[in-house]
Amino acid sequence: AQSVTQLDSQVPVFEEAPVELRCNYSSSVSVYLFWYVQYPNQGLQLLLKYLSGSTLVKGINGFEAEFNKSQTSFHLRKPSVHISDTAEYFCAAPGGSQGNLIFGKGTKLSVKP
Amino acid sequence: DVKVTQSSRYLVKRTGEKVFLECVQDMDHENMFWYRQDPGLGLRLIYFSYDVKMKEKGDIPEGYSVSREKKERFSLILESASTNQTSMYLCASRPVVGLAAYEQYFGPGTRLTVT
Repeated sequence: AQSVTQLDSQVPVFEEAPVELRCNYSSSVSVYLFWYVQYPNQGLQLLLKYLSGSTLVKGINGFEAEFNKSQTSFHLRKPSVHISDTAEYFCAAPGGSQGNLIFGKGTKLSVKP
Repeated sequence: DVKVTQSSRYLVKRTGEKVFLECVQDMDHENMFWYRQDPGLGLRLIYFSYDVKMKEKGDIPEGYSVSREKKERFSLILESASTNQTSMYLCASRPVVGLAAYEQYFGPGTRLTVT
């Protein structure tokens, strides 16, 4: 079955620490990959996307992700987080029966002072 | 910038009421989606519309219907609201041309509470 798996449901970190949010995808989904961010009580906003080309993708707010085909992963990283990065992060890939995105179950990033 | 708007940010309805959630996009996108979001379950597709008056069921259509009379507007209807439909509802749209077709643009969401 097509799937996108986020391995951590919650990630607490201290401000200015590095963070990695993990995402693995099943090889049956298209290798177009997305990370979305959802701030409290808001909709989803695109953080970055991999469609082709360089496997290291840079997004907004200092985030980046690396597409790793051999490990079927697309982990999200930031070298130094801020309080304002506290949000829920979703990894997604096309693969639904209607051509829609399949989403992971989300990772809640909590940045503490 | 693509803009997707939803008619209400917060809504409280009683069990048995008929509920309408409206979504409007301003980028002439052909495809529109309704998802519900629940803690620990991520986003699940309720219905999808690939053009005006065209619709397809998603993964969890039971208890819902949709209407797409105009290209920019996609409505989600709860025929008889129940407490298990308390959730966050997200609308999205996307174009159908090129690689951009894989990206979806989301509205701010409607948090519905059914009492």
